[in-house]
Amino acid sequence: NAGVMQNPRHLVRRRGQEARLRCSPMKGHSHVYWYRQLPEEGLKFMVYLQKENIIDESGMPKERFSAEFPKEGPSILRIQQVVRGDSAAYFCASSPPNRGGHTGELFFGEGSRLTVL
Amino acid sequence: AQSVTQLGSHVSVSEGALVLLRCNYSSSVPPYLFWYVQYPNQGLQLLLKYTSAATLVKGINGFEAEFKKSETSFHLTKPSAHMSDAAEYFCAVSEGNQAGTALIFGKGTTLSVSS
Repeated sequence: NAGVMQNPRHLVRRRGQEARLRCSPMKGHSHVYWYRQLPEEGLKFMVYLQKENIIDESGMPKERFSAEFPKEGPSILRIQQVVRGDSAAYFCASSPPNRGGHTGELFFGEGSRLTVL
Repeated sequence: AQSVTQLGSHVSVSEGALVLLRCNYSSSVPPYLFWYVQYPNQGLQLLLKYTSAATLVKGINGFEAEFKKSETSFHLTKPSAHMSDAAEYFCAVSEGNQAGTALIFGKGTTLSVSS
């Protein structure tokens, strides 16, 4: 089984441009989570989505950031008008649907590393 | 609210020495606890998890962790370090096993292993 797939692995943008990060969950998983990793700060939860629904976006910055998980295709994290402070590694994780036996762990992709010049 | 504290952002050990990475958690309900490992420029890989069964949990690569409710701790240990264990380790907590329960991570501990 393919794991969580993220692309691009590395992305360079100039200030003011847009960044789009994609995530395809593991086969059979219908829940997607986005985390941001900054040096010395660990992973910070951003948003949790199911197909066509944002369930929890309590960790998303109020401006410039948005996420979607359409009925078809990957989940996308979109950052508009990027600034240098957006430079970070963005990780996507997935989990299976709610059913007996799921022990709460998340399965992570290898991350997308955004550099803003 | 849940939180995780990892004591020591950097730990250095010699090859063959005991590895001890500390994690304390805060949770209002019985927690689910996890340790993940991250190698450079890679994603996070699950090492082990505590889900209210046995308090001593064994994971991959010879790691284990013990859940101690009285100390609100979930420290990670390995009897003998290998060079290949050098990586960043993250402790995480969730307040349930329901899909959709996000994990809350600590800031991580970087493990260095010297020969």
